[in-house]
Amino acid sequence: AQSVTQPDIHITVSEGASLELRCNYSYGATPYLFWYVQSPGQGLQLLLKYFSGDTLVQGIKGFEAEFKRSQSSFNLRKPSVHWSDAAEYFCAVGAIGSSASKIIFGSGTRLSIRP
Amino acid sequence: NAGVMQNPRHLVRRRGQEARLRCSPMKGHSHVYWYRQLPEEGLKFMVYLQKENIIDESGMPKERFSAEFPKEGPSILRIQQVVRGDSAAYFCASSPTPGPEKLFFGSGTQLSVL
Repeated sequence: AQSVTQPDIHITVSEGASLELRCNYSYGATPYLFWYVQSPGQGLQLLLKYFSGDTLVQGIKGFEAEFKRSQSSFNLRKPSVHWSDAAEYFCAVGAIGSSASKIIFGSGTRLSIRP
Repeated sequence: NAGVMQNPRHLVRRRGQEARLRCSPMKGHSHVYWYRQLPEEGLKFMVYLQKENIIDESGMPKERFSAEFPKEGPSILRIQQVVRGDSAAYFCASSPTPGPEKLFFGSGTQLSVL
């Protein structure tokens, strides 16, 4: 079955510290992978996406993610977090060439920033 | 170019009433998607529409829920005879293409059923 797992429900890091949010997926086809951020009361904003090429993907706001096919993972990283990064982060997977209706979202990781 | 506009932001209904949620896609976007987000969960796909057509409604509950995207005006998600379990955040997204590459989300409608 197709699924996306974000093992960490809630993470707290200190401002200026590095961050890694985990995402594992199970998908039969070649995956199209996404990370979205949702600030309180807002919709989802795309941080980055991967569908082919270099497995290290750069996104907005200083985020990056690395696709590791052997581990079925697509972890999100940031070298130094800012207080404004506090939000909910969603990993998602879709099939290349299919519609957005087939995207599967993880349950999210809530990031809190310690001053 | 305004983003995806959803209204209202918050909607309170009593059990048995009807809820109407509106979504105006970005200019030039003819593909609209509705998702539901329950507390502590990710978004779940409900329905995919193009102008005047329902393309995929595989995520829609079989009863009480309907959606439309008329030739003129916003897309509407309609929930009849709401129950407490319908309380959730409902998000709309639009895209100029069927694929997920250029998907933009609205800020959502929080539906609370008393």
